[in-house]
Amino acid sequence: DTGVSQNPRHKITKRGQNVTFRCDPISEHNRLYWYRQTLGQGPEFLTYFQNEAQLEKSRLLSDRFSAERPKGSFSTLEIQRTEQGDSAMYLCASSLDWGSATDTQYFGPGTRLTVL
Amino acid sequence: AQTVTQSQPEMSVQEAETVTLSCTYDTSESDYYLFWYKQPPSRQMILVIRQEAYKQQNATENRFSVNFQKAAKSFSLKISDSQLGDAAMYFCARSNDYKLSFGAGTTVTVRA
Repeated sequence: DTGVSQNPRHKITKRGQNVTFRCDPISEHNRLYWYRQTLGQGPEFLTYFQNEAQLEKSRLLSDRFSAERPKGSFSTLEIQRTEQGDSAMYLCASSLDWGSATDTQYFGPGTRLTVL
Repeated sequence: AQTVTQSQPEMSVQEAETVTLSCTYDTSESDYYLFWYKQPPSRQMILVIRQEAYKQQNATENRFSVNFQKAAKSFSLKISDSQLGDAAMYFCARSNDYKLSFGAGTTVTVRA
């Protein structure tokens, strides 16, 4: 039984560069979420997918951020023209839709982004 | 804004003793879910316990139990018989439609 996996685990980049992160959810989970966590804080919601459809995006997700989930499987989060303020841990979570509005989310280990 | 507040940035407990972490939240919904997640240093977040707001009975998972006071919008976590492996950051979270809103976390240290 594999959990949520994320790659890479760490990414160091220079300001202005583009970066892309990947999340592989638990295989039967049809919901996928992205959160951002800064040091000493709780995660903040970024965006959410139901299968391949992106259903909600936070105001935190500026135009430089884009997320996709082709075919409802893995997801990618791309940040264009990175800024130092983008430095954070990016967490992915997945859940199985039982027909309830809220089901338990299972988190991946995160990708730590450092923008120099 | 609907918020989750954890008023204790840090808590320390002696091994085998009990510690209680507090959490209050704001919501306009009548049906929602509450969670406690544990995040060990440099490790991924794992679910500790979950409470459905429509259930009056407090959830329990082994050494972990909650005190859910719906009217007061309070959701505290009690860790009994604390173990060294309980040392971690603990986050309280509330469901908000499909997403979770988290508190700032409480760091728990366990003294041997």
